[in-house]
Amino acid sequence: AQKVTQAQTEISVVEKEDVTLDCVYETRDTTYYLFWYKQPPSGELVFLIRRNSFDEQNEISGRYSWNFQKSTSSFNFTITASQVVDSAVYFCALSEREDSSYKLIFGSGTRLLVRP
Amino acid sequence: DAGITQSPRHKVTETGTPVTLRCHQTENHRYMYWYRQDPGHGLRLIHYSYGVKDTDKGEVSDGYSVSRSKTEDFLLTLESATSSQTSVYFCAISESGENSPLHFGNGTRLTVT
Repeated sequence: AQKVTQAQTEISVVEKEDVTLDCVYETRDTTYYLFWYKQPPSGELVFLIRRNSFDEQNEISGRYSWNFQKSTSSFNFTITASQVVDSAVYFCALSEREDSSYKLIFGSGTRLLVRP
Repeated sequence: DAGITQSPRHKVTETGTPVTLRCHQTENHRYMYWYRQDPGHGLRLIHYSYGVKDTDKGEVSDGYSVSRSKTEDFLLTLESATSSQTSVYFCAISESGENSPLHFGNGTRLTVT
């Protein structure tokens, strides 16, 4: 079975610190997709990024960056110069193919608290 | 925001009663999913649908059934609610599956007393 592990249950940092959220996955598929979602205190789930298994280039979007390393089955997420508004639960997810359909398997999430 | 509406948003029910949660989309997306969110477990897939009348089980499907008679509606039914089904339930939609991100509804908070 495919699996996503987010070993960090909770992280607390002071504003302006950099923070990295870890995600390790297991899959037998040669082609797959990885995702990150954010869930702020208000509760909605917000899509952040999608990465396919053939593209190992790191991606940067403002203060957010993602490091995909196929060799270590990791897809880590770094927030640079964290802000209080970054406080949220962050989920990593992996697409799983089931015959001709697809589903997303989520990790258990990392709760990030950014203190002023 | 993706056009996804979950109803009801909150529900309190008693053990043993049937409960149906509704997910309605206006995006005409093929895939629809039901997840439950519990502390320490993240999001776990209950059931999903890849077309009208095409559904399959997720990792925590026991005690739940689903139906999709129209593209826009995906119903989740708890035939006889138990306290262990107290949770926040999220519906999600996806345009094409594997490489399409899921877009989530705002969730339904269900309490079984």
